[in-house]
Amino acid sequence: QVQLAESGGGVVQPGRSLELSCAASGFTFSTYGIHWVRQAPGKGLEWVAFISYDGSNGYYADFVKGRFTISRDNSKNTIYLQLNSLRGEDTAVYYCAKDRITLAPLYSFDYWGQGTLVTVSS
Amino acid sequence: DIQMTQSPSSLSASVGDRVTITCRASQGISNYLAWFQQKPGKAPKSLIYAASSVQSEVPSRFSGSGSGTDFTLTISSLQPEDFATYYCQQYDSYPPTFGGGTKVEIK
Repeated sequence: QVQLAESGGGVVQPGRSLELSCAASGFTFSTYGIHWVRQAPGKGLEWVAFISYDGSNGYYADFVKGRFTISRDNSKNTIYLQLNSLRGEDTAVYYCAKDRITLAPLYSFDYWGQGTLVTVSS
Repeated sequence: DIQMTQSPSSLSASVGDRVTITCRASQGISNYLAWFQQKPGKAPKSLIYAASSVQSEVPSRFSGSGSGTDFTLTISSLQPEDFATYYCQQYDSYPPTFGGGTKVEIK
């Protein structure tokens, strides 16, 4: 079955960096794009970033452009999200989610990981 | 960005009730609409995609309808495990955006 497992969250000071990982299994990883979606405490869902199946294209929400970088290693079935210049408003649970279709992005999410909490605080 | 507005923001219902949640898009999105269920402390779970297609292994009491700007999620007979928050999401236009959520509580 499809499984996604995030890791790397924690408490970090404003302005510092953190790298999140998402390990995938149960599907042909190298043929699907993967997204990051976040949820601030007590708030709704917010799309953050997407990486194409081959890692050649990454797309970002305006509020993270220039600060976050998404990447993937298809040999390890793993997605990464590098978070730089973190702010208090980046505090959230970060989920990775699989795109529904192969190759081209649809921005429809069919499976989600359990999430990892990032807390930005001094 | 396309704004997604859900109503109501919360509702109270009893086991066995028929529940309907509405989602409205700020512009037409054809049928590029999904619904998710989220329980406290858990990840969202896909219920419906393409406005009316039911995700595999989702109970048949869940259904979706609509096209253009107005959509509904219906739970035909509410079960104890259905008490949760429900979100709609459009994927017609970039960036994908979510509604604010509807919390379904026990009456």
